Amino acid sequence: DAKTTQPPSMDCAEGRAANLPCNHSTISGNEYVYWYRQIHSQGPQYIIHGLKNNETNEMASLIITEDRKSSTLILPHATLRDTAVYYCIVRVAPNFGNEKLTFGTGTRLTIIP
Amino acid sequence: DVKVTQSSRYLVKRTGEKVFLECVQDMDHENMFWYRQDPGLGLRLIYFSYDVKMKEKGDIPEGYSVSREKKERFSLILESASTNQTSMYLCASSPVAGGLAREQFFGPGTRLTVL
Repeated sequence: DAKTTQPPSMDCAEGRAANLPCNHSTISGNEYVYWYRQIHSQGPQYIIHGLKNNETNEMASLIITEDRKSSTLILPHATLRDTAVYYCIVRVAPNFGNEKLTFGTGTRLTIIP
Repeated sequence: DVKVTQSSRYLVKRTGEKVFLECVQDMDHENMFWYRQDPGLGLRLIYFSYDVKMKEKGDIPEGYSVSREKKERFSLILESASTNQTSMYLCASSPVAGGLAREQFFGPGTRLTVL
């Protein structure tokens, strides 16, 4: 699986959009970008994933650059409950025998009141 | 909502004890996983299972074993606990949809301290 690089920490004002970057310059054509987050003292929570097109769900939007070497997770209206560590993961589509997730150290996002 | 539950949030054991960590999911997922999470090391896979009585080693299986006798339950066993197994243990499950496993759903974690 391709390696990812994320800033160790970020702050965002409550109510503003939080934009979390991720670099994955060695991504392969068959690798997806996944985002999870982990709120303090809880298990990780899936947010969104994509291959090459931008994706949006009820939690966030994922913007993947055309060359797929980087992506941005957008939380459109950040709340205090969005304070968490956010993990960007690049991996092949999970299939039989290859389902494991490998988290790096992620970005610690702090939402400021 | 998918629910993954773990038997304990906090556990303190002594070196050499046999330790059982239990995980139960209620969504009929095929795949189940055990990870440990340590500061600076991220999440590391210990074992996973894709069916009842089936198990596969992850990246760090040494010192651990697992059991999956029923689809909803996946147990992690520390045969003889050691201080370097002090960690946060996370259980996860995922469905297999359309032949591809989808996102993983995690339990709240068990923080194990081995003295």
